[in-house]
Amino acid sequence: AQSVTQPDARVTVSEGASLQLRCKYSYSGTPYLFWYVQYPRQGLQLLLKYYSGDPVVQGVNGFEAEFSKSNSSFHLRKASVHWSDSAVYFCALSRDTGGLSGKLTFGEGTQVTVIS
Amino acid sequence: EAAVTQSPRSKVAVTGGKVTLSCHQTNNHDYMYWYRQDTGHGLRLIHYSYVADSTEKGDIPDGYKASRPSQENFSLILELASLSQTAVYFCASSDRDWGTDTGQLYFGEGSKLTVL
Repeated sequence: AQSVTQPDARVTVSEGASLQLRCKYSYSGTPYLFWYVQYPRQGLQLLLKYYSGDPVVQGVNGFEAEFSKSNSSFHLRKASVHWSDSAVYFCALSRDTGGLSGKLTFGEGTQVTVIS
Repeated sequence: EAAVTQSPRSKVAVTGGKVTLSCHQTNNHDYMYWYRQDTGHGLRLIHYSYVADSTEKGDIPDGYKASRPSQENFSLILELASLSQTAVYFCASSDRDWGTDTGQLYFGEGSKLTVL
């Protein structure tokens, strides 16, 4: 069975500092991976996605993620965070064999707090 | 801009009562989904639908029914609400053509359900 693990439930980072959020997945097929962000009292919004090709993918608002097949990971990074980046970040895996669909398996989420 | 709207945004229900959560999308998407979010956990798929008048079970369908009367509308029904169904519920939609450029879920803002 597939699974997604985000080992850090909470991360606190200073404004202007770099951020890395970890995501590990378990899936026997070709993984299609996503990072979503959830701002307070809002739905989830897509940050970026990886299907194939260049393992480093760029997303919105300066976020990027790097896929590693050998490590079964899809870590999210941002070089310099802003207070508005405070949110919950979810890593997710699309688990339809041979394709993509909205049947996603989500990690537990990482609460990011940016302090001044 | 994609739009998924949910109603009600918040509801308090009594144990054993019937609850209906509604979702309306103006994205012209064929696929719709209901996910459940529990505090400190990721989202889990309850039901989904690929076409009007047809629904499919997701990972945690027990205690829930779904209805898709039209392409735009997708409801989640709790016939006998229980304490364990207290959670935030998210509706989402996606295009039938889940390709590399278009593949993503568009989420509503969530419906917070409290069962007492």
